[in-house]
Amino acid sequence: QSVLTQPPSVSGAPGQRVIISCTGSSSNIGAGFDVHWYQQLPGTAPKVLIFGNNNRPSGVPGRFSGSKSGTSASLAISGLQAEDEADYYCQSYDTSVHGFYVFGTGTKVTVL
Amino acid sequence: QAQLVESGGGLVRPGGSLRLSCAASGFIFSDYYMSWIRQAPGKGLEWISYISGTGQTIYYADSVKGRFTISRDNTKNSVYLQVNSLRADDTAVYYCARAADHFQYWGQGTLVTVSS
Repeated sequence: QSVLTQPPSVSGAPGQRVIISCTGSSSNIGAGFDVHWYQQLPGTAPKVLIFGNNNRPSGVPGRFSGSKSGTSASLAISGLQAEDEADYYCQSYDTSVHGFYVFGTGTKVTVL
Repeated sequence: QAQLVESGGGLVRPGGSLRLSCAASGFIFSDYYMSWIRQAPGKGLEWISYISGTGQTIYYADSVKGRFTISRDNTKNSVYLQVNSLRADDTAVYYCARAADHFQYWGQGTLVTVSS
């Protein structure tokens, strides 16, 4: 049902860089709407990690960065740490029948 | 710092109803849109409704339209979700969130389980 597609899982060793993709369409990301990213640690509520494509709220480490191009966006985690093991979701706005706020399918990041 | 606390979840039979509440603090409540988002067990996030600061603008996802009703009381700094005609696939953790073009703050969630 999600209109934004993410890989189900990505993994990396501590210190490595991993990238999570978020693929949309012309009715959401491609229409120029911003992409936002959330981190959900096990058993907790999501929290905003990146807003407005590439902005970090205060308190979010600089190893998290976002980008957007065309109908897709990406979240990069540099210098992967054990505490980064979590689920990550992208989110945008959509003008199609799916309506309004749409989330990605979610990606589980595993630190090896 | 903004804080949101949900309550009202529980076990309900198919076809039943619940009223979920979300108490806000730490910001001027009436200045912000508020949303409800849910997450079924082991599944992803699904936006289901939002309401403007005045309560005059309301939208719902198709999956809940006609069954769920969002409302707010700015004198109590609270937003509500009346959930009716519940089905098994409504089983989820329901989160309230302060909304802009993204969801800036989230509550801890309240679990709704629909089962006979």
